[in-house]
Amino acid sequence: DAKTTQPPSMDCAEGRAANLPCNHSTISGNEYVYWYRQIHSQGPQYIIHGLKNNETNEMASLIITEDRKSSTLILPHATLRDTAVYYCIVRGDTGTASKLTFGTGTRLQVTL
Amino acid sequence: DAGVIQSPRHEVTEMGQEVTLRCKPISGHDYLFWYRQTMMRGLELLIYFNNNVPIDDSGMPEDRFSAKMPNASFSTLKIQPSEPRDSAVYFCASSLQGNSPLHFGNGTRLTVT
Repeated sequence: DAKTTQPPSMDCAEGRAANLPCNHSTISGNEYVYWYRQIHSQGPQYIIHGLKNNETNEMASLIITEDRKSSTLILPHATLRDTAVYYCIVRGDTGTASKLTFGTGTRLQVTL
Repeated sequence: DAGVIQSPRHEVTEMGQEVTLRCKPISGHDYLFWYRQTMMRGLELLIYFNNNVPIDDSGMPEDRFSAKMPNASFSTLKIQPSEPRDSAVYFCASSLQGNSPLHFGNGTRLTVT
């Protein structure tokens, strides 16, 4: 799997948008970008994933650059409950390439 | 849907004892994964199954660790004998297909003294 690079930590004020960047410059054409988060003492939670088009669901939006070498996860109106470690993962779609390999992620702290 | 269910939530045992962790995946999911999380190494994939068959166990640390999936609704991860360095949170996850999102349980926190 292609490696990803994320800032170790970020802060965001409650009610503001949280924009979490991820670099994946060695991504292959058939690899997806996945985002998970882990709230303290819980298992990782799936947020969103995409291949090359921007994606949006009830939790977040995912913006992937045209060259696919980086992406941004956007939480439009962050709340205190969004405080968590956010993982950006590049994942293949077949066989053992579909293994989900976690890095160190970004620790997002949402403050009042 | 109850999600992925793991038991026990916490396990404290003495070095040398056998430990068995249990997981019930989401019904209908064909893939099951076991992960371990420590402060030093983060989240590591230990093994995963497809249709109850182990596909990749390259992450299993050593022969003391074994995992089974006797049927589609149950899996175990066994450590025998346990050692203090096995202390970690062990997560089970399942997915509908190989490239579907994984759904994680809330983990088993293992402490080996």
